[in-house]
Amino acid sequence: DSGVTQTPKHLITATGQRVTLRCSPRSGDLSVYWYQQSLDQGLQFLIHYYNGEERAKGNILERFSAQQFPDLHSELNLSSLELGDSALYFCASSVRQGDEKLFFGSGTQLSVL
Amino acid sequence: SQKIEQNSEALNIQEGKTATLTCNYTNYSPAYLQWYRQDPGRGPVFLLLIRENEKEKRKERLKVTFDTTLKQSLFHITASQPADSATYLCALRPGSSNTGKLIFGQGTTLQVKP
Repeated sequence: DSGVTQTPKHLITATGQRVTLRCSPRSGDLSVYWYQQSLDQGLQFLIHYYNGEERAKGNILERFSAQQFPDLHSELNLSSLELGDSALYFCASSVRQGDEKLFFGSGTQLSVL
Repeated sequence: SQKIEQNSEALNIQEGKTATLTCNYTNYSPAYLQWYRQDPGRGPVFLLLIRENEKEKRKERLKVTFDTTLKQSLFHITASQPADSATYLCALRPGSSNTGKLIFGQGTTLQVKP
């Protein structure tokens, strides 16, 4: 168990809908990273938050947004969902923003029908 | 363009043999390179990190090498066991990055047969 908690584990929704994925980092970790993993794209970096502030952005669509709250948990919001958004979404945490290794949660499997 | 590439074909080996996985990168100057293990439906788990000024790192049956001239890292599992069967991902932190953001390869699936 990595200590990173993601909910829900599975999410099935329809095109055009909006969903929220939640991540609780390991106790004491200030950095939260979101990654998307699909069969054809592999693990793609979406966004990084450190202590409530956005630190880096990857290939994150404008329909996607994230935030990190004062208690350090993070949410990834996906809106106007398309079939191609179906993927595994992982959250990872680390102690500092430049820390070296990441601890990943078990992921949220999103299926858009 | 920047790329990090791993052999997309699955690697099948016999139990007890050494598995060697390759990670090549292009147009990056990584501060370090990491290897993760991922089991189906699970998140990646950190295995080893090797810095740009290190040639080799070992941990139990695992060994990683890093050649910044060839822009390549090799990941070895000696005396492999069926329990080592998984997908192995290499990841690098771009030297220009001031965050812990990691760029991942696509992964190589290892199957160890008894």
